[in-house]
Amino acid sequence: EAGVAQSPRYKIIEKRQSVAFWCNPISGHATLYWYQQILGQGPKLLIQFQNNGVVDDSQLPKDRFSAERLKGVDSTLKIQPAKLEDSAVYLCASSSVREGLYGYTFGSGTRLTVV
Amino acid sequence: GDSVTQMEGPVTLSEEAFLTINCTYTATGYPSLFWYVQYPGEGLQLLLKATKADDKGSNKGFEATYRKETTSFHLEKGSVQVSDSAVYFCALSSLGKSTFGDGTTLTVKP
Repeated sequence: EAGVAQSPRYKIIEKRQSVAFWCNPISGHATLYWYQQILGQGPKLLIQFQNNGVVDDSQLPKDRFSAERLKGVDSTLKIQPAKLEDSAVYLCASSSVREGLYGYTFGSGTRLTVV
Repeated sequence: GDSVTQMEGPVTLSEEAFLTINCTYTATGYPSLFWYVQYPGEGLQLLLKATKADDKGSNKGFEATYRKETTSFHLEKGSVQVSDSAVYFCALSSLGKSTFGDGTTLTVKP
């Protein structure tokens, strides 16, 4: 089974620029998550999708972050404009309906550096 | 809200030493508990899980037992290898939401 695909692996941008990350989950996984992992910390949920609907975006800074999953498969996370504190690894994960039993499958992440 | 507390690292051990990484949690509902491992430059990988009290999750020589009475899920391995060097995350899943600890960095020296 193919894993969760993310791109790009690395991105360096200047503050106030925009950036987008892409994620393709495991085939058949209805739930998709975007996490932000700041160096030395655990992942923090940004947004959770169930198929193409948003389940939880309470921790998403909506003034600058947006995400979509138009066809219920792949997803894009965008930051506009970026701030220095957005420097982090952005992880995408997916799960089957029963995530509480089986956990998540994570992608390798996109490391964002804002300078 | 839910929370996960892990022992602070870093932890440095010699090869073949015994490993314990402590993890305690608070949660609403009846959570499932997980340990994930993250190797440098990679995403998190599920290491083991337990879904009810007294369950023992195990994988690759690692074990953890779901202790409801002490709200703990400590990770153990009897004999670590250099290849076990990584960051280990304890996590819980409850009512459709997951919460992660801040990770414990393990370095195993030959």
